[in-house]
Order: sequence, then C-alpha cells, then structure tokens
Amino acid sequence: GAGVSQSPRYKVAKRGQDVALRCDPISGHVSLFWYQQALGQGPEFLTYFQNEAQLDKSGLPSDRFFAERPEGSVSTLKIQRTQQEDSAVYLCASSLGGGRARNEQFFGPGTRLTVL
Amino acid sequence: AQKVTQAQTEISVVEKEDVTLDCVYETRDTTYYLFWYKQPPSGELVFLIRRNSFDEQNEISGRYSWNFQKSTSSFNFTITASQVVDSAVYFCALSEAMGNTPLVFGKGTRLSVIA
Repeated sequence: GAGVSQSPRYKVAKRGQDVALRCDPISGHVSLFWYQQALGQGPEFLTYFQNEAQLDKSGLPSDRFFAERPEGSVSTLKIQRTQQEDSAVYLCASSLGGGRARNEQFFGPGTRLTVL
Repeated sequence: AQKVTQAQTEISVVEKEDVTLDCVYETRDTTYYLFWYKQPPSGELVFLIRRNSFDEQNEISGRYSWNFQKSTSSFNFTITASQVVDSAVYFCALSEAMGNTPLVFGKGTRLSVIA
C-alpha cells in the first residue's frame, strides 16, 4: 500500500533488552515524526527528521532512546535497556514537508511495545 | 506552551443521535493549525480535518461538522446521526503554523455508538 508502515506491529521485550522499531514513510515524504502513546493517553512527540537530519529530539524521554534515518527514508527508533515504563504504542508519521501549505501528518498503525 | 484539553473522556450515544466532542486549546502563537484525528480500534490515526487560525469559517463534511471559535479557544466536532462505525477515540491536536512542527494532542475522547 501507499501508507506509512511500521514493523513489528507488536513487540514483547524483557526488561533490560534492547529493541528496534522500524518506520517506512510514504514515498517522497520529507518529514518524519515519532510519537509515543501510553494507554489511554494522546500521542506525545518524541523526535522529528527532515530528510536524514534529526531537527528536534526534545521529546525523547531519556538517553536510552535513539532514532535515526540515515538515508532520509526509513527510520528506526531504538530503545536500549528497556524499562516497564517504556510500554506504549510507538507511532510514526510522515508529511510532505518543505513548507508546503498542506502538511498533514499521516500516521502508521504503530508498534505496541510491552516490556515485562 | 501549547496545550489541548478534551474534557470528555468517554461519551456513549445511541445510533442516530447527534454528538459533539469538545476541544479547548492554549497557545501563545498567533498563527497555528488545529486538527482532528480518529483512532479506531485498529489503532491507526486517521486524519479528519485541519484548520488554520485565520479561518474561523465552520466546515461541514457529510455528517461531520466543526465549529472553530477563536474567542473561546475552542474547536468542537459534531457528528450528526451517529453510526456504530463512528465508535473510536477522537483526538484534537494543535501545531505551530511555521514549517513542520510536532502535533500536540489532547487526551482523546472515546465515543461509543450503540445500535
């Protein structure tokens, strides 16, 4: 399909494990966002890329969280030494970017991470 | 700082009733965008509408309508003649107008439409 895809859809990790979550944005979309959605809450911003440049990582909750987008398309969110409080749905969104007037963010289905 | 408040946590209506979801926002920006997203049980956020702060004209799209009132910092969403398929969590969100900026979401309102 032509939408944003994320993998895996579900991930169960033991506390202390490292995890990597993948996002494939819509082809041609310059901007890519990661959000964290805890149960019963709205999504909260983690980090933002424009092409391969990470322009804002102010929302990353700790230095255990790391994101990259080396070629300006696929992005990976890595969480090291997972903790129970990291359990959430991680959402990826992409938009055309480039200052275009219509800049809606299109969201992927999310990865539900459960840390035991 | 930007903030979005959706005071209604859960709403339950009977099919064919009209329902309004409230959204109140706070921002110091004079130019900003407001959004509504729908999150069905599948989890994917579906974009419904975007409004910019200069356009207070109300909008209607089928059974959906939006009432933007700058004077009360509100951007309410009404579903007319609700259907079971409208059951979902609805999020109101706010962003700065310049460039690509993150969305600030409310906590969402869970709407249940009962047949």
